[in-house]
Amino acid sequence: TQLLEQSPQFLSIQEGENLTVYCNSSSVFSSLQWYRQEPGEGPVLLVTVVTGGEVKKLKRLTFQFGDARKDSSLHITAAQPGDTGLYLCAVSGAGSYQLTFGKGTKLSVIP
Amino acid sequence: KAGVTQTPRYLIKTRGQQVTLSCSPISGHRSVSWYQQTPGQGLQFLFEYFSETQRNKGNFPGRFSGRQFSNSRSEMNVSTLELGDSALYLCASSLVLGGSRTEAFFGQGTRLTVV
Repeated sequence: TQLLEQSPQFLSIQEGENLTVYCNSSSVFSSLQWYRQEPGEGPVLLVTVVTGGEVKKLKRLTFQFGDARKDSSLHITAAQPGDTGLYLCAVSGAGSYQLTFGKGTKLSVIP
Repeated sequence: KAGVTQTPRYLIKTRGQQVTLSCSPISGHRSVSWYQQTPGQGLQFLFEYFSETQRNKGNFPGRFSGRQFSNSRSEMNVSTLELGDSALYLCASSLVLGGSRTEAFFGQGTRLTVV
């Protein structure tokens, strides 16, 4: 059983469309991170959410942490081809430095 | 400043061989973690080193090992390679401040293909 379930697994949209991807779990987390990984590169941290109900914005990306701190969403407004990549959510283990990742949402934005 | 450097970028090995991958963290970062990424399993934690000591290990067989040197550079070794070991191996480095780990910066990875 995956600790973090991400959906959808794949998403292909036209430039200018909006989209939301999800990261769900039955466990409660003290914080959750979102990464983007482009082909041939390692993941790059986009944001860390800490407080239940927290909303963070990064340009056209809006991240939300669920009130119960069990889930999170990433909304992209007016997607651009540069948004193409693998979006990963991750949590740290209690008392350890280990990151546990979801399997990711592979996003393709078609010009 | 220079990022996390992993060498080599690509590697092809034969089943049964062993391989050593290298990771140079960002200057000043003393925590180095290794991850395996495959299409089926995604990113999975292998182990983490801090101050030359393994602090945590993921659920991988003993064929996977690592070490960290006094300059924080790290190597991981996989012995008796299997076809299933084909993957992208990623290294991440972090600062450790007051016992807390800061943001993890990942290298570009080493793409290992076992034939």
